[in-house]
Amino acid sequence: DAKTTQPNSMESNEEEPVHLPCNHSTISGTDYIHWYRQLPSQGPEYVIHGLTSNVNNRMASLAIAEDRKSSTLILHRATLRDAAVYYCILKRGSTLGRLYFGRGTQLTVWP
Amino acid sequence: EADIYQTPRYLVIGTGKKITLECSQTMGHDKMYWYQQDPGMELHLIHYSYGVNSTEKGDLSSESTVSRIRTEHFPLTLESARPSHTSQYLCASSEWGRTEAFFGQGTRLTVV
Repeated sequence: DAKTTQPNSMESNEEEPVHLPCNHSTISGTDYIHWYRQLPSQGPEYVIHGLTSNVNNRMASLAIAEDRKSSTLILHRATLRDAAVYYCILKRGSTLGRLYFGRGTQLTVWP
Repeated sequence: EADIYQTPRYLVIGTGKKITLECSQTMGHDKMYWYQQDPGMELHLIHYSYGVNSTEKGDLSSESTVSRIRTEHFPLTLESARPSHTSQYLCASSEWGRTEAFFGQGTRLTVV
């Protein structure tokens, strides 16, 4: 499965937007881009996913580059509760639900 | 709100003991998974199941075993716990045709 590259850590101030980048230069045509986050002492939580077009939901927005070799998770207004490890994951369309997690990006939100 | 439960949340146990980590989900999902995660590290898939009587080993070799006798239940067993088994174990489930996976809160296991 194709790998993703994310910064180890990022910081933001509360109520500011946060842009979390992810590089996936070896992505294949059937790979979906998924984002999960893991709050302290919790299991991972689904955030958003997309294939080619940008996606929005109540938690975040996902911006996908035209060549699909990178994507950005956008938190429009960070809160203290958004402090977590964010994982960018490629999931093959034919793969039966298996997720391959890297180390993700540790997001720190300052009040 | 995810309906997937793991018990116990924390377990400290002596070397050589047999343990079973419980995972149950009330969503009727056919697919279930066990991941192992050391502090600050990535999650590794150790077991998965696509339905009753289906179990497969994941990407990380594990001495644990699993069973899937009922759709809602996917327990993980260690016959003889060792300090090297100390880790966090996370259970997840997902529905056929849907991409979202739901995770439990995890069991933090310490073998002394």
